Amino acid sequence: GQSLEQPSEVTAVEGAIVQINCTYQTSGFYGLSWYQQHDGGAPTFLSYNALDGLEETGRFSSFLSRSDSYGYLLLQELQMKDSASYFCAVRRGSTLGRLYFGRGTQLTVWP
Amino acid sequence: EAGVAQSPRYKIIEKRQSVAFWCNPISGHATLYWYQQILGQGPKLLIQFQNNGVVDDSQLPKDRFSAERLKGVDSTLKIQPAKLEDSAVYLCASSLGTGGENNEQFFGPGTRLTVL
Repeated sequence: GQSLEQPSEVTAVEGAIVQINCTYQTSGFYGLSWYQQHDGGAPTFLSYNALDGLEETGRFSSFLSRSDSYGYLLLQELQMKDSASYFCAVRRGSTLGRLYFGRGTQLTVWP
Repeated sequence: EAGVAQSPRYKIIEKRQSVAFWCNPISGHATLYWYQQILGQGPKLLIQFQNNGVVDDSQLPKDRFSAERLKGVDSTLKIQPAKLEDSAVYLCASSLGTGGENNEQFFGPGTRLTVL
């Protein structure tokens, strides 16, 4: 089986930096993805880490430590529109392997 | 480019009735996924197709759920008969499926099913 743990809620103010952690337990780990989902909307892809280290995409960065079974999503210069749910998802086996999603972290950004 | 299309957007049925959802993936995407997302949870994969073949249906409740992807393009997901616990958003996603590094999945808007 597999399990993913991420905080259920995080709050921050505009312009701040927030880190959403994700720890996982799974066999056949291949990579860690992050998706954003606004209320009533579809999940959208943010980033993917297959190797240890930091991946940066604009205001968002994602980090992976395979030895610690741990990753995080870092959101900088927060904006109101960043208020959404953020899901980490483990990919097993290969790039075509299925994704297992966590329960999600609800981020609320206050003005 | 057009995104993943799903219909209907909303459906309300009574328990023991049947329901079907339709998905049209992004053109050229070989891999198609159906997810179930219960309120407050992450998406759970029900079935994954590679072209018109099933890659993974280990989480599909086969006694009541079925899915097909004829001709390797559109797909339908059916529930027969529905139970109260099937109330959820059913998301369709697609990806290139060529084995590229991140194999990003593109999600449709989903169908919100309410079973009364």
